[in-house]
Amino acid sequence: DAKTTQPPSMDCAEGRAANLPCNHSTISGNEYVYWYRQIHSQGPQYIIHGLKNNETNEMASLIITEDRKSSTLILPHATLRDTAVYYCIVRVSGSARQLTFGSGTQLTVLP
Amino acid sequence: GAGVSQSPRYKVAKRGQDVALRCDPISGHVSLFWYQQALGQGPEFLTYFQNEAQLDKSGLPSDRFFAERPEGSVSTLKIQRTQQEDSAVYLCASSNDRGRHEQYFGPGTRLTVT
Repeated sequence: DAKTTQPPSMDCAEGRAANLPCNHSTISGNEYVYWYRQIHSQGPQYIIHGLKNNETNEMASLIITEDRKSSTLILPHATLRDTAVYYCIVRVSGSARQLTFGSGTQLTVLP
Repeated sequence: GAGVSQSPRYKVAKRGQDVALRCDPISGHVSLFWYQQALGQGPEFLTYFQNEAQLDKSGLPSDRFFAERPEGSVSTLKIQRTQQEDSAVYLCASSNDRGRHEQYFGPGTRLTVT
């Protein structure tokens, strides 16, 4: 699976949009971008994934650049409960394979 | 159950003791994964089961680590002769092997070896 690079930490004001970047310059054509988050003392939680089109669900939006070498996870209206470590993971979809986590981005939502 | 459960949530073991960590996956989920998470790090893969078959154990750090899933549901991760470096959170995840293969994680077991 391709390696990803994320900033170690970010702050965001409550109610504002949180934009979390991820670089995955070595991504292959059949690899998807997945985002998980881990709230303190909990297990990781799936957020969203995509291949090349932008995706949106009830939790977040995922914007993938045209060359697919980077992406941005957007939490449109961050709340204090969104404070967590966010992991960007690249992997082949449709296969039951393990997730390869990096160090992630610690997002702190400030009141 | 509603989600993946793990027990115990916390375990303190003296160096040299054996421990057993239990995972109850979501009912009907075929795939089950174990991960180890050291303090301040992301989870790292240990082993993977499809039903009762252990298809990948490449992440197990030593032969002191052993996992089983005899009936294709509940899984146990056993660590023999625990060492201080085994102190970590052990996470279990399950997946239904359909569609996007989203993995559902349990809350983890925090193991402290003294």
